[in-house]
Amino acid sequence: DAGVTQSPTHLIKTRGQHVTLRCSPISGHKSVSWYQQVLGQGPQFIFQYYEKEERGRGNFPDRFSARQFPNYSSELNVNALLLGDSALYLCASSLDLNEKLFFGSGTQLSVL
Amino acid sequence: GQQVMQIPQYQHVQEGEDFTTYCNSSTTLSNIQWYKQRPGGHPVFLIQLVKSGEVKKQKRLTFQFGEAKKNSSLHITATQTTDVGTYFCAGLRSNDYKLSFGAGTTVTVRA
Repeated sequence: DAGVTQSPTHLIKTRGQHVTLRCSPISGHKSVSWYQQVLGQGPQFIFQYYEKEERGRGNFPDRFSARQFPNYSSELNVNALLLGDSALYLCASSLDLNEKLFFGSGTQLSVL
Repeated sequence: GQQVMQIPQYQHVQEGEDFTTYCNSSTTLSNIQWYKQRPGGHPVFLIQLVKSGEVKKQKRLTFQFGEAKKNSSLHITATQTTDVGTYFCAGLRSNDYKLSFGAGTTVTVRA
């Protein structure tokens, strides 16, 4: 069975640009969450979607947005990129809300 | 910032020795989950604790959830080189059901 897939794996952008990251959950999983992980720190919660509705939002600026599609895949969008947005962006899916998370391999974003 | 605190940040262990990593939350948790992230990898789920005072074992790993549901611990016995990685606790907050990760304990093993 396929796990959580994320694309792209690596991305280099410059300040001010925008980026779209994509995630496909495990088949049958209805919840998708996005996390930002800076080197040496734990994952920081950005968004959680369940059945295409936003169910939670972390302490991130409005430049960060996301959505979940009818097939449960998800996109994370970041506008007006800053150097500080450089991080590993992790997508995780779960069968239901508050269940264990299955993480993808992440998208490594570098903002120059 | 981190709502869940983990100590120690680093743990250097001699192969065969035991160690414990601790997780503390300022708020009551609905449940606590533990994940392991190998260098260059992504977090992988280990276990979930839900009940006050719950203790679960996975081979050489023992997980405990505090009576007040605000703290947890992971104890590893007879450490092996395969235990290398960063161990994260993640607490599901009772007030808003957001999963908050600690900063992790990074474990290295001396053979």
